[in-house]
Amino acid sequence: AQKITQTQPGMFVQEKEAVTLDCTYDTSDQSYGLFWYKQPSSGEMIFLIYQGSYDEQNATEGRYSLNFQKARKSANLVISASQLGDSAMYFCAMRRIDTGGFKTIFGAGTRLFVKA
Amino acid sequence: EAQVTQNPRYLITVTGKKLTVTCSQNMNHEYMSWYRQDPGLGLRQIYYSMNVEVTDKGDVPEGYKVSRKEKRNFPLILESPSPNQTSLYFCASSRQGLYEQYFGPGTRLTVT
Repeated sequence: AQKITQTQPGMFVQEKEAVTLDCTYDTSDQSYGLFWYKQPSSGEMIFLIYQGSYDEQNATEGRYSLNFQKARKSANLVISASQLGDSAMYFCAMRRIDTGGFKTIFGAGTRLFVKA
Repeated sequence: EAQVTQNPRYLITVTGKKLTVTCSQNMNHEYMSWYRQDPGLGLRQIYYSMNVEVTDKGDVPEGYKVSRKEKRNFPLILESPSPNQTSLYFCASSRQGLYEQYFGPGTRLTVT
């Protein structure tokens, strides 16, 4: 069964420090995409970063990087130099091709608190 | 401005009263989808559409209907809402393929 697991319901990080949010996934597919989305307290969903299953290099987008370990089926999000505005809920998601089209499953999320 | 819009943003209704939540996107995306978000469960896919007149079930389709008559619109229909459908609903769109999705602002639905 396809599944996304985020084992950290909540995390604290000091401002300006780096933080890693864990994500493991389960799939038997060869082709899939892994995504991280941010949900601030205002509620909107914001796309952060994408990693394709065939990509050999880890994705990076500004202060965000994705530590992709395919054999371990993990796709951890690393936020460098945390800022107060990074306080939010973070969701890991996997998009895959199913018989009817593209399906997406999300993890339960990790709430990140950045301390001044 | 590229965006996904949803209406209404907030809705309180009673059990059994049919309702429709509208979703529209202006990015010419083929793919659209509906999710519900519940505490501790993340987002779960209700229905998705690969293109006009092509829809399929997600992981939690029971109690919901959708239609895709135009490329830009993908309404979610609850024909007989029940309290267990109280949730935060998101519409999203994307290009076909393993691409990121663009989300609407969400609709908070309460069924009493």
